[in-house]
Amino acid sequence: AQSVTQPDIHITVSEGASLELRCNYSYGATPYLFWYVQSPGQGLQLLLKYFSGDTLVQGIKGFEAEFKRSQSSFNLRKPSVHWSDAAEYFCAVVPPGAGSYQLTFGKGTKLSVIP
Amino acid sequence: NAGVTQTPKFQVLKTGQSMTLQCAQDMNHEYMSWYRQDPGMGLRLIHYSVGAGITDQGEVPNGYNVSRSTTEDFPLRLLSAAPSQTSVYFCASSSDRERRQYFGPGTRLTVT
Repeated sequence: AQSVTQPDIHITVSEGASLELRCNYSYGATPYLFWYVQSPGQGLQLLLKYFSGDTLVQGIKGFEAEFKRSQSSFNLRKPSVHWSDAAEYFCAVVPPGAGSYQLTFGKGTKLSVIP
Repeated sequence: NAGVTQTPKFQVLKTGQSMTLQCAQDMNHEYMSWYRQDPGMGLRLIHYSVGAGITDQGEVPNGYNVSRSTTEDFPLRLLSAAPSQTSVYFCASSSDRERRQYFGPGTRLTVT
């Protein structure tokens, strides 16, 4: 089945360490790709998005993501994590040919940060 | 702009009760969607609308009804609540121009 996968349910990193959250998709063509963050008890905030063009995308809060067509991946990275980055992160896609109203989400990766 | 607003923020229902979750947007977006969020499941699409008077089912539509009489409003109705509908519900809106969704703050619903 066509889908989006986040292989890591929970990741723990030390403050100041680098971070990479993985996201893979399985569609015949490239979907629109998004990363959202959700702090505890809060709503969803868009970190960055990719539609086409440059495969390295810069987002808010110092995050970036790289689209790799050959690996069907859109991994999220941050060079130095802050304690305030502790949250749940969702990769989401708009499948090829679908409208922006049909986001498909991964199951999320919970990030814990050790001071 | 208020963006996407949802009411109520919290709700507790008994099994079999009905209620309507309200959603409104002031960005003149043509598209609106409802999602539910359950632990370990991410967000799943319940229903969506591509314009006033036009709605369709998403991944998990059973037990929910929607209608869209205006561009601004997209209420979600639970006709007979069940414990399986305990969840956090998010409404979102989007447009062809921006191609991204804006989410409301969510409604936490508990069905006992």
